[in-house]
Amino acid sequence: KQEVTQIPAALSVPEGENLVLNCSFTDSAIYNLQWFRQDPGKGLTSLLLIQSSQREQTSGRLNASLDKSSGRSTLYIAASQPGDSATYLCAVGSGGYQKVTFGTGTKLQVIP
Amino acid sequence: NAGVTQTPKFQVLKTGQSMTLQCAQDMNHEYMSWYRQDPGMGLRLIHYSVGAGITDQGEVPNGYNVSRSTTEDFPLRLLSAAPSQTSVYFCASSRNRDRGHQPQHFGDGTRLSIL
Repeated sequence: KQEVTQIPAALSVPEGENLVLNCSFTDSAIYNLQWFRQDPGKGLTSLLLIQSSQREQTSGRLNASLDKSSGRSTLYIAASQPGDSATYLCAVGSGGYQKVTFGTGTKLQVIP
Repeated sequence: NAGVTQTPKFQVLKTGQSMTLQCAQDMNHEYMSWYRQDPGMGLRLIHYSVGAGITDQGEVPNGYNVSRSTTEDFPLRLLSAAPSQTSVYFCASSRNRDRGHQPQHFGDGTRLSIL
């Protein structure tokens, strides 16, 4: 059974800092991995999708990397802003038919 | 495009009542799914569908029914609500039905309280 872990559960940083969020998974036979952002009381917004054949994806100040062999993905946020404050979730597509497994998320607070 | 639309946004039910959570997408996606999100447990898959007329159970299907009569709509029914079903419910859709079902597009959620 695939298990997805995100550590830390919460993170507080001053504005302008570069930061890294971590996602680890137990079964390396994945199809893809997706990073989401969730604002309080809102749905999930897709940030980046990495296919199993890729090592990284970039969008603006965000960079996501994937190391299947070690079962890890990182989301790098450059020059953090208060507007980046949200919960960040990773979701792994793997295993049998139709399976996507979510982590429990990292709640990020960027302090002005 | 509206994307994935969920209604209602909030609902309070009494134990034993029934209701239907609505989900509609306008992206012609084959794959649709329902998740519940509970504190400390992440999102858990309830039911999913790979196309009109085809549905199957996810990780936590008990107490919920679904149907998929059209590509656009995927309603979730609670037949007899229980306090354990208090949660935030998300509907999602994706084009890719074969591998990993991502990228997924999510609705804004339905916040359901069972008294």
